[in-house]
Amino acid sequence: AQSVAQPEDQVNVAEGNPLTVKCTYSVSGNPYLFWYVQYPNRGLQFLLKYITGDNLVKGSYGFEAEFNKSQTSFHLKKPSALVSDSALYFCAAASNTGKLIFGQGTTLQVKP
Amino acid sequence: DTGVSQNPRHKITKRGQNVTFRCDPISEHNRLYWYRQTLGQGPEFLTYFQNEAQLEKSRLLSDRFSAERPKGSFSTLEIQRTEQGDSAMYLCASSLEFGSSGRRDTQYFGPGTRLTVL
Repeated sequence: AQSVAQPEDQVNVAEGNPLTVKCTYSVSGNPYLFWYVQYPNRGLQFLLKYITGDNLVKGSYGFEAEFNKSQTSFHLKKPSALVSDSALYFCAAASNTGKLIFGQGTTLQVKP
Repeated sequence: DTGVSQNPRHKITKRGQNVTFRCDPISEHNRLYWYRQTLGQGPEFLTYFQNEAQLEKSRLLSDRFSAERPKGSFSTLEIQRTEQGDSAMYLCASSLEFGSSGRRDTQYFGPGTRLTVL
């Protein structure tokens, strides 16, 4: 069965410091991987995706993610966190029919 | 893109009542997905359409749930005889066909409909 895991329920980081939100996946075939962000009582906003090509993917709002096939990971990163980055982050993998399989989410708390 | 819209944004109903939600996808998108998200969890897939054809349904979608997408445009999700366990955020997403390159297969989500069953 395909699955996505986000091992940390919450990540705390000081403003200006680098941040990493972890994600590992288990999918068959070539993975299509996504990161979404969710603000309170809102839908999900697309940040970035990996389909093929460069292992480092750049996305919206200064976020990037590193695809590592050997470790089956797709960690979300940002060099310098902002207080406004505080939100709930979801990693997802697309099945071979296109439906998304989500991790359980990681709350990012950026403190001033 | 005008974005994916969902109505209503909030729905409070009594157990046993029927409810219907509507999703209007981005106009040129031929794929439309429904997900359910409960508190503290990631969204879970319910069903998806390609144009007007419903191609996959999750086992989460019990007989009380039905979804339609007439004419391949907007979609409705109906829950009959609601139960307290149906309380959740119902999310709709749309995309162009899956498996294409670039932005075509990214799913864009609406704001969701929050259902509370009393």
